[in-house]
Amino acid sequence: AQSVTQLGSHVSVSEGALVLLRCNYSSSVPPYLFWYVQYPNQGLQLLLKYTTGATLVKGINGFEAEFKKSETSFHLTKPSAHMSDAAEYFCAVTPNSGNTPLVFGKGTRLSVIA
Amino acid sequence: KAGVTQTPRYLIKTRGQQVTLSCSPISGHRSVSWYQQTPGQGLQFLFEYFSETQRNKGNFPGRFSGRQFSNSRSEMNVSTLELGDSALYLCASSFSGNYNEQFFGPGTRLTVL
Repeated sequence: AQSVTQLGSHVSVSEGALVLLRCNYSSSVPPYLFWYVQYPNQGLQLLLKYTTGATLVKGINGFEAEFKKSETSFHLTKPSAHMSDAAEYFCAVTPNSGNTPLVFGKGTRLSVIA
Repeated sequence: KAGVTQTPRYLIKTRGQQVTLSCSPISGHRSVSWYQQTPGQGLQFLFEYFSETQRNKGNFPGRFSGRQFSNSRSEMNVSTLELGDSALYLCASSFSGNYNEQFFGPGTRLTVL
C-alpha cells in the first residue's frame, strides 16, 4: 500500500524567497511520484513527475523536485517565489507499474506575500 | 487538442436527490478516472473506466456509480445525495490507462443542501 504525507497544510513565503514544500511517501514497491498544482476553481495541473532515471526532476514554472529513496522524500522547490505561485500543491504516489490509482497527500496551500 | 471537459461546472442539489456528472476525455484517450475532493478527506479515487469497462474501484458506497460510452465519454451518478457528498469531482483521462499519464479536467463543484 502507498501513502503520502505532506508536512504543513499551509506555507507562506515572501515574493522572491525560496519555496520548499515537503512530501514523504510510503510504498512497498518502487514508486512513481508526482507534484500537481491546483489554482482556485480549477483542476489539477501536473508540475513534474519522477518515474525512472535522474532523481532530480525539473518541471514547469521553475519548479523542481528530488527523489531521495533513503529518505522516502520528494520535496518540491523553487528558488524564487512569484505571486502567481500562490495555489494548492499536491504530492501523489503510485507503484512504478503505473497500473494503480494515484494516492494523494492532503495538500499544501502556498501563500506568497508581496 | 482540446483538454478534458466536465459538465456542468457547478451544481446544487438537495439531500435525497440524485445527480449525474459528465466527463469528455481528450480525443483518443480511452481511460477515464474519477476523483472526489473534499476539505476533510482530500483527493480520493472513485473508479476508472477503460474501453467501457470498470477496471478499478475505490472505497465508496454503492450510491456512487459510473459508466463509459463507446466514444469514451464517461458519466458518474450519485443517488440519494447526502450532505457529505458536497465536493469537487474531478475526472482525468489517459490514452493507455496508465495512471502516470493522466490529464485532469476542471472539475464539477457539487453542493448538497
